[in-house]
Amino acid sequence: GQQLNQSPQSMFIQEGEDVSMNCTSSSIFNTWLWYKQDPGEGPVLLIALYKAGELTSNGRLTAQFGITRKDSFLNISASIPSDVGIYFCAGYNFNKFYFGSGTKLNVKP
Amino acid sequence: EPEVTQTPSHQVTQMGQEVILRCVPISNHLYFYWYRQILGQKVEFLVSFYNNEISEKSEIFDDQFSVERPDGSNFTLKIRSTKLEDSAMYFCASRVHTDTQYFGPGTRLTVL
Repeated sequence: GQQLNQSPQSMFIQEGEDVSMNCTSSSIFNTWLWYKQDPGEGPVLLIALYKAGELTSNGRLTAQFGITRKDSFLNISASIPSDVGIYFCAGYNFNKFYFGSGTKLNVKP
Repeated sequence: EPEVTQTPSHQVTQMGQEVILRCVPISNHLYFYWYRQILGQKVEFLVSFYNNEISEKSEIFDDQFSVERPDGSNFTLKIRSTKLEDSAMYFCASRVHTDTQYFGPGTRLTVL
């Protein structure tokens, strides 16, 4: 199957700091998605990207669809304690979604 | 806001028993999915379903698994003879025509 490499695996930051995480793949994707998952709950869609080069924001979150269509980035500005959770990237091709291994974000008040 | 719902939230079963996990996708959605997430690991694709048939399935989705859409609203995942390694969170997801899919809250399956 198509593999997504997500990094970093985990991050420990102070409240107010900016955060950046990314996903790369050897395969091209038509769509990139970013999800957040809280413990014991399902992933919640944060941002969807449909075109290469697209830059989309959702509040303090900004994500970009890489020009090569093989990568995507998620930035969180001015982090707050409720940003804690696991962030997953997902790529879509041919009616299948492939997920990255997640970035666990810890925010210290 | 419409959402995907799943029942039960937690299912405990004995090894070898059959389980059925239920999902109610968002009402106007056309594509349906099941995923599995073993504790601490990433979300893994199991199967996609469109137009009353399976459109894609992964190598995890073997003969022990089956899916059905028995009526206009429910979408079920059946595991015929559960194994210890089937213990995981199972997520249902659905989408319309766009590539954006929405997840349910999950069913935690514990096989003893």
